[in-house]
Amino acid sequence: GAVVSQHPSWVICKSGTSVKIECRSLDFQATTMFWYRQFPKQSLMLMATSNEGSKATYEQGVEKDKFLINHASLTLSTLTVTSAHPEDSSFYICSARREGIEKLFFGSGTQLSVL
Amino acid sequence: KQEVTQIPAALSVPEGENLVLNCSFTDSAIYNLQWFRQDPGKGLTSLLLIQSSQREQTSGRLNASLDKSSGRSTLYIAASQPGDSATYLCAVRRGGATNKLIFGTGTLLAVQP
Repeated sequence: GAVVSQHPSWVICKSGTSVKIECRSLDFQATTMFWYRQFPKQSLMLMATSNEGSKATYEQGVEKDKFLINHASLTLSTLTVTSAHPEDSSFYICSARREGIEKLFFGSGTQLSVL
Repeated sequence: KQEVTQIPAALSVPEGENLVLNCSFTDSAIYNLQWFRQDPGKGLTSLLLIQSSQREQTSGRLNASLDKSSGRSTLYIAASQPGDSATYLCAVRRGGATNKLIFGTGTLLAVQP
């Protein structure tokens, strides 16, 4: 099966710092990856669609300048939370689509805690 | 705007019981529907995917049905086990070229030994 690796699993940072989260497709190429955010006891909310070689498409209400997405290769997408604040504390999950397969494959998630 | 709702929000059953989780969506123009399992602090594991033209899918003790016209899907778990304890999420994929998934609110299942 397809494997999506997400790092780090958890991160604690001070308010005002930036945090980078990586999402890698280990055994397939992913032209499209998706970034989700999940607050405690809530469902996943799509933040943005990451397209290899082009700008990400952000969902309404998601700040582009705060959540920087880079999809520089067919196997790697990164999400950078810039100038993080406590309200950005959340569980962030990426997913990737493998060509020819309907299902999306998800990373293991990153728990971000901003102090 | 597509909205996906899951009932119940939480469910506790004794081991061995059969159970049904419900998922409803407001816009019937979907491409497919997926059921996922999420363990605490973990990512998602895809359980079953039903295409819009299909009525049901089965995998082991799991059976998912889809009634697109009424905007409903159910996940049936037979002979539940403590290892089935997790949050179950349904998600619909919109029609068209997009791969976006709209997730439901989830059902937290606890199977008591």
